[in-house]
Amino acid sequence: LAKTTQPISMDSYEGQEVNITCSHNNIATNDYITWYQQFPSQGPRFIIQGYKTKVTNEVASLFIPADRKSSTLSLPRVSLSDTAVYYCLVDNNAGNMLTFGGGTRLMVKP
Amino acid sequence: GAGVSQSPRYKVAKRGQDVALRCDPISGHVSLFWYQQALGQGPEFLTYFQNEAQLDKSGLPSDRFFAERPEGSVSTLKIQRTQQEDSAVYLCASSFAPLYEQYFGPGTRLTVT
Repeated sequence: LAKTTQPISMDSYEGQEVNITCSHNNIATNDYITWYQQFPSQGPRFIIQGYKTKVTNEVASLFIPADRKSSTLSLPRVSLSDTAVYYCLVDNNAGNMLTFGGGTRLMVKP
Repeated sequence: GAGVSQSPRYKVAKRGQDVALRCDPISGHVSLFWYQQALGQGPEFLTYFQNEAQLDKSGLPSDRFFAERPEGSVSTLKIQRTQQEDSAVYLCASSFAPLYEQYFGPGTRLTVT
């Protein structure tokens, strides 16, 4: 499984766009990139998944450059409720377990 | 049910005691997972069930950890002779079928004193 590297923490303010970048230099051809969100005292929740280029849903956008060695989760106009830990996972979806790294702790301030 | 539920939400055990943590997956979900999350870290895989069969237990840290899902629905994670290093949040997740999206419960926070 490819190892991921992402910032330990980030601060932002309400209404700003937040971009969290994840490095995965050893990503394999069959690997997908998935982001999870975890609020305090809750389990992780799936946000978005992509393979290449750009994916957008009602929650976030995921940008993946052509070499796929990194990815950026973009949260538009964050609110206080977006304060959470965000995990970047790289997996080929062939196994069953999820492998989480340390995540990025996002703090949104008023 | 509406989601994955776990009980108890909080458990305090004295070192050496046995504990049992329960997971109620989403009804009809075939796959069930247990993860351990230490403070400030991401969840780590413990074990995986497909229906009642335990297909992967490679993440269980020692033989003090035991999981079962006898009827293919509710699962119990048992920890014998608890140690302080067992203190963590234990998360359960279920999915409709293998390789489908996993839905997590709120976790059980275990504190061993």
